[in-house]
Amino acid sequence: NAGVTQTPKFQVLKTGQSMTLQCAQDMNHNSMYWYRQDPGMGLRLIYYSASEGTTDKGEVPNGYNVSRLNKREFSLRLESAAPSQTSVYFCASTLRGTSSGNTIYFGEGSWLTVV
Amino acid sequence: RKEVEQDPGPFNVPEGATVAFNCTYSNSASQSFFWYRQDCRKEPKLLMSVYSSGNEDGRFTAQLNRASQYISLLIRDSKLSDSATYLCVVNNRDTGFQKLVFGTGTRLLVSP
Repeated sequence: NAGVTQTPKFQVLKTGQSMTLQCAQDMNHNSMYWYRQDPGMGLRLIYYSASEGTTDKGEVPNGYNVSRLNKREFSLRLESAAPSQTSVYFCASTLRGTSSGNTIYFGEGSWLTVV
Repeated sequence: RKEVEQDPGPFNVPEGATVAFNCTYSNSASQSFFWYRQDCRKEPKLLMSVYSSGNEDGRFTAQLNRASQYISLLIRDSKLSDSATYLCVVNNRDTGFQKLVFGTGTRLLVSP
């Protein structure tokens, strides 16, 4: 029972390089999310997809793009990586939204360092 | 001011102790409340939801005070395995879509 799977787990990028973080869930969830977690900041929402075919900006979308490829997959792209994007990235999913009763499940995280 | 504020700790307690964490939130329209647990270098996982009437799950008790906009978590008879960071989380409706707002977490260290 995989749940939410994200790749890669670790990545080092040079400033200006691009990369895509992949995320897939096997729980038939409608809503998917990308968060970043930085020391002293808590998890912050980058982008979300309420349902297949829709994507919307979260709290900190600058420098990122997303694609909801299908119901299972939601990718996050850094077009031109910057040191400020060094962070831990978590993909997550819920059946539908985040109200009480809709537990959010997280992937194991992707540690990204931009040098 | 952060939307969700927690004491970062760490709280150092011996096994068997009772420890309490508090959290305040700024949005009076917040609709749902949760405590998540996050182990070092792992993903957050739901510990328990928090209801207005208060709720208990084994050694864990959560309370919500809407008037004062604070949430608490009480852990009784602490175990070594309780060592982790506890995240206070509220659910807000933002432009029609609900979103979770995470506190920065309170670190708990339980020692033998």
